[in-house]
Amino acid sequence: QQQVKQSPQSLIVQKGGISIINCAYENTAFDYFPWYQQFPGKGPALLIAIRPDVSEKKEGRFTISFNKSAKQFSLHIMDSQPGDSATYFCAARRTYKYIFGTGTRLKVLA
Amino acid sequence: GAGVSQSPSNKVTEKGKDVELRCDPISGHTALYWYRQSLGQGLEFLIYFQGNSAPDKSGLPSDRFSAERTGGSVSTLTIQRTQQEDSAVYLCASSYGQGGDEQYFGPGTRLTVT
Repeated sequence: QQQVKQSPQSLIVQKGGISIINCAYENTAFDYFPWYQQFPGKGPALLIAIRPDVSEKKEGRFTISFNKSAKQFSLHIMDSQPGDSATYFCAARRTYKYIFGTGTRLKVLA
Repeated sequence: GAGVSQSPSNKVTEKGKDVELRCDPISGHTALYWYRQSLGQGLEFLIYFQGNSAPDKSGLPSDRFSAERTGGSVSTLTIQRTQQEDSAVYLCASSYGQGGDEQYFGPGTRLTVT
């Protein structure tokens, strides 16, 4: 019940395309759903986050879509750029404890 | 300002030796986390410190792992009698207050046990 399932494991997108990464959770007590971006040799950095009372949040080219009834949320990267090539992690938080997905390695082709 | 720093950045040790990994959180952040990131895996929660409260050690995989946080600032993760399966990147993160929305991660320590 504490798992966060993330898919796909890897993703290749053409420059200018849309990248979509999906996550699913089971525990309805989660209260915060962040996405992190990690470049090789660096720690993860918060990209965008959403709370369960909101169905969508957009920041620039990045959008989170949240479906509370389905217990799923997704990250959409519009107009994907080669600089977006990184590993993306979804997470879910209950009080202070975060559960992370297994990550999606995104490669954007120039 | 300075972010979260970790040292060493890389550590190679022989099986059976003890190692200490250090984390300097962002000044003023009361919450501190340790995570383990194995190849191809997500981040695995190890331990959480919040102010002067007792830490949540529920993620420590065995009694060979321990951590302390001195003066509410610097934290040290100690692994005793290292095993090859301990090889991973160990990440530290800090945030402002309990459940602070943004965790700031350090660059990690890559531990290799030979």
